[in-house]
Amino acid sequence: GAGVSQTPSNKVTEKGKYVELRCDPISGHTALYWYRQSLGQGPEFLIYFQGTGAADDSGLPNDRFFAVRPEGSVSTLKIQRTERGDSAVYLCASSLIPPDPRKTDTQYFGPGTRLTVL
Amino acid sequence: GNSVTQMEGPVTLSEEAFLTINCTYTATGYPSLFWYVQYPGEGLQLLLKATKADDKGSNKGFEATYRKETTSFHLEKGSVQVSDSAVYFCALSAVTGGGNKLTFGTGTQLKVEL
Repeated sequence: GAGVSQTPSNKVTEKGKYVELRCDPISGHTALYWYRQSLGQGPEFLIYFQGTGAADDSGLPNDRFFAVRPEGSVSTLKIQRTERGDSAVYLCASSLIPPDPRKTDTQYFGPGTRLTVL
Repeated sequence: GNSVTQMEGPVTLSEEAFLTINCTYTATGYPSLFWYVQYPGEGLQLLLKATKADDKGSNKGFEATYRKETTSFHLEKGSVQVSDSAVYFCALSAVTGGGNKLTFGTGTQLKVEL
């Protein structure tokens, strides 16, 4: 079946511009996560959606970053007034929600969007 | 807060050599532990996982055992192949609002040569 897809695969923008990054999760996965991976580093958590609502946005670096998931499927990460430090690969992952909140379920990652801010 | 520390790379091995990539963690509670792999030009893939102490995760000849007493989850493989060349990430999950956000290490690049 189809995995997690992300568009665009590459995005080059100028400092100060606005960008949107899209994530299409695996069908039926109610949990959706955004991570950011800087060069030579592991991915860092940004935000987690359960259904349509952001259950944990503690990883968003500042108020220039915002994400939505209006229908509980596709999600869009929005970055306003981009800065050169925002350059990174933005990863999306999705998973099922296990009935027992103490348990975990596998997160499946998309290929990422490489954002370059000039 | 939660953190993961893994050995720095690159690690360069000859084919059929034994592999160990060390991973230790700091976490509150009882996290689940994972190894993810990123092959050149591809996305992150789950390699194996363990959800409680003394569990052993295994896949494709790789193994890792959840050691609570040493807070470790070292990755091992008895005989590596050129096709195992990739970046390996150790990670733990912490429950958040019903979900499980992952905390990753910085990654270890493995190069296997003939």
